[in-house]
Amino acid sequence: GAVVSQHPSWVICKSGTSVKIECRSLDFQATTMFWYRQFPKQSLMLMATSNEGSKATYEQGVEKDKFLINHASLTLSTLTVTSAHPEDSSFYICSARRPNSPLHFGNGTRLTVT
Amino acid sequence: AQKVTQAQTEISVVEKEDVTLDCVYETRDTTYYLFWYKQPPSGELVFLIRRNSFDEQNEISGRYSWNFQKSTSSFNFTITASQVVDSAVYFCALSEGETSYDKVIFGPGTSLSVIP
Repeated sequence: GAVVSQHPSWVICKSGTSVKIECRSLDFQATTMFWYRQFPKQSLMLMATSNEGSKATYEQGVEKDKFLINHASLTLSTLTVTSAHPEDSSFYICSARRPNSPLHFGNGTRLTVT
Repeated sequence: AQKVTQAQTEISVVEKEDVTLDCVYETRDTTYYLFWYKQPPSGELVFLIRRNSFDEQNEISGRYSWNFQKSTSSFNFTITASQVVDSAVYFCALSEGETSYDKVIFGPGTSLSVIP
């Protein structure tokens, strides 16, 4: 079964509002989670590394004030898209480290900003 | 810097044909991990294989096989007797470092269409 749960699966929001996406590790503690973004027919681009109890590490070109990441517990990381605009519409996928196992991915969140 | 190239953007094959998806990677590390993931139209990522840089043995799993050649920095994926359910986007990916737990960088993907 799934080991990483992502919620919601899809969300539609109005321009200017903020959207929060949750990523949970279901049966293990994840000190590190990763957030990816995927535009239609493109690859997954790493946005940031989420570290439990500390600040996230953002990839070059990713606005940290726009994409707020909080990893407050060992099983939950959240990505908040602040003041969303249509160009933020994308597929967001989280992943988590599980000991002695490949990276596990959530099922993704499809964000549409109108 | 790490980089993954998948030169084939789209491939179409007729059902039961064999198909090979190419993957070429770049890394300065001597220790690294390579992966293949499948992304069906529903969007979720399905893990297919992980291979570390010290293990060059080819692997076969059912209709899937992988050919890892460090000399050419390639990690190709072959599907034998393709089926319609194999239609998906396939990503080759690379993770540098001692474990496979560091950030994973994905190639651009190859979209495979298997025609009945």
